[in-house]
Amino acid sequence: EAGVAQSPRYKIIEKRQSVAFWCNPISGHATLYWYQQILGQGPKLLIQFQNNGVVDDSQLPKDRFSAERLKGVDSTLKIQPAKLEDSAVYLCASSLSDEQYFGPGTRLTVT
Amino acid sequence: GNSVTQMEGPVTLSEEAFLTINCTYTATGYPSLFWYVQYPGEGLQLLLKATKADDKGSNKGFEATYRKETTSFHLEKGSVQVSDSAVYFCALSRTSYDKVIFGPGTSLSVIP
Repeated sequence: EAGVAQSPRYKIIEKRQSVAFWCNPISGHATLYWYQQILGQGPKLLIQFQNNGVVDDSQLPKDRFSAERLKGVDSTLKIQPAKLEDSAVYLCASSLSDEQYFGPGTRLTVT
Repeated sequence: GNSVTQMEGPVTLSEEAFLTINCTYTATGYPSLFWYVQYPGEGLQLLLKATKADDKGSNKGFEATYRKETTSFHLEKGSVQVSDSAVYFCALSRTSYDKVIFGPGTSLSVIP
């Protein structure tokens, strides 16, 4: 069974630029999550989708972050404009029940 | 609100030493409890879980028991190996499909 795929694996941008991350969950997993992991901290949920509907986006900075999950499969997370404090690893996870499967993450550096 | 606290690292142990990483949680009701592991250069992996009080989760020689009375879920292993070097995250989830709330992580280094 293929795991959760994410791309790119690494991205370096300047502040005020925009960036997008892509996630392909495990086939058949209806629930998809985006987490932000700042260096030295545990992951923090940004947004949760159930199929293509948003379940929880209470921690998403909506003035600069947006996410979509068209057709209830792939998802894209966008940051526009980026700030220095957005430097982190962005993790995508998917689940079928109570176990979440994580992708390798995208490491974003904002300079 | 719901939260997880775990012992600060880094923790350095010699091979075959006994490992304990303390974890306590704050949550309403009866959350599910997890330990995730992140090996160098890899993604997060579920190590073990427990879904109700007094349950013991175990995997790869690691164990943790869900203690409702002390709101704890301490991770233990009787004899660590160099390959156990990783960051360990204690976490909880209120219900199935709910978001996972992670602790800050504890870095473990095992030296030969």
